[in-house]
Amino acid sequence: KAGVTQTPRYLIKTRGQQVTLSCSPISGHRSVSWYQQTPGQGLQFLFEYFSETQRNKGNFPGRFSGRQFSNSRSEMNVSTLELGDSALYLCASSSGLAGGRSTDTQYFGPGTRLTVL
Amino acid sequence: KQEVTQIPAALSVPEGENLVLNCSFTDSAIYNLQWFRQDPGKGLTSLLLIQSSQREQTSGRLNASLDKSSGRSTLYIAASQPGDSATYLCAVGDSGGYQKVTFGTGTKLQVIP
Repeated sequence: KAGVTQTPRYLIKTRGQQVTLSCSPISGHRSVSWYQQTPGQGLQFLFEYFSETQRNKGNFPGRFSGRQFSNSRSEMNVSTLELGDSALYLCASSSGLAGGRSTDTQYFGPGTRLTVL
Repeated sequence: KQEVTQIPAALSVPEGENLVLNCSFTDSAIYNLQWFRQDPGKGLTSLLLIQSSQREQTSGRLNASLDKSSGRSTLYIAASQPGDSATYLCAVGDSGGYQKVTFGTGTKLQVIP
């Protein structure tokens, strides 16, 4: 079974631009979560989607948004990029339980390394 | 707000030694706890998942325990090998939200041949 894939793997943008990152979960998984990892703040939860609905959101400004498609693929978008947005963005998928909390193991992709100049 | 702390931040041990990594959390109302390893520049690999109703989980040379009442989890690695060198992260699943996970700060482990 193919793992979680993220594209692109590396990205360089300048301040003020916007960026879209993509995540394809493991086949059959319906829950996709996004995280930001920086040396100073560690791993921080951005949001989680299940069946195209955002079920949970972390403490990030509205410049960070996401969506999930009917095939469970997910995208996250960051608008008006700031230098502090430079980070490794990780996506994780789990099988999920319809209508309930997921108790399943999360499987992570390799991440997208975003550098903002 | 859940806070997760891992001690020590870094650890260096000779090959073959048994070791314990610690994870503590402030809110005991958790849904589950998961241990991951992260190799430099890469994503996370799940090692063990403990549900809130469980006390421990084992996989090969790894054993993770959970004590919700005291807000602690430990990851025991037996007979460490150089390939175990990585950063180990614990992640607490919040009982108040779907897949809302709070990660610890990590322990960077180096196993010296």
